[in-house]
Amino acid sequence: DTGVSQNPRHKITKRGQNVTFRCDPISEHNRLYWYRQTLGQGPEFLTYFQNEAQLEKSRLLSDRFSAERPKGSFSTLEIQRTEQGDSAMYLCASSWGERNQPQHFGDGTRLSIL
Amino acid sequence: GENVEQHPSTLSVQEGDSAVIKCTYSDSASNYFPWYKQELGKGPQLIIDIRSNVGEKKDQRIAVTLNKTAKHFSLHITETQPEDSAVYFCAVSGYALNFGKGTSLLVTP
Repeated sequence: DTGVSQNPRHKITKRGQNVTFRCDPISEHNRLYWYRQTLGQGPEFLTYFQNEAQLEKSRLLSDRFSAERPKGSFSTLEIQRTEQGDSAMYLCASSWGERNQPQHFGDGTRLSIL
Repeated sequence: GENVEQHPSTLSVQEGDSAVIKCTYSDSASNYFPWYKQELGKGPQLIIDIRSNVGEKKDQRIAVTLNKTAKHFSLHITETQPEDSAVYFCAVSGYALNFGKGTSLLVTP
């Protein structure tokens, strides 16, 4: 399968713990996006990378969130000191080229905070 | 940021009927409008998109129309089938996608 791959698919953790998610984009795609989706809502933008550079961050991305894309390949999203409100589906998407190009999504990581 | 409104929030049709979902947006500079289908437990899947220099685009049973003057665009699904049942999202592209809240489509046999 050459689509966007996300791991783990599910993560259950206790409040206050740190969690890290991984996204492997489609191999030739230079842009990588992170979104968050809560029940009954559309995905909300968190941040995006062009190659290894993080170009935009949403106000949703508090200082407890950090994302990296070393070498412009896979990306990780870390949440420190998790809170109940962090429970959501975290989606990764990738695209080729500049803006306004089709974005292809992975199946997400569902985070549940106990 | 871009404000995207999507209607209806739920839609139930009988197999073989047509379904139409509408979205409006606020930023007249927007020029890329994709539609996604999301099934339970899966990520959004791109089903069709349209750019602002085109008024209509069709792919088999799916079509999208765009009215840039009125700032709205619509998804049309003809000859609906039970496997079309899913949540559909419209989106408008800035540096990232701004999504509507989704339409839950149910196609009953």
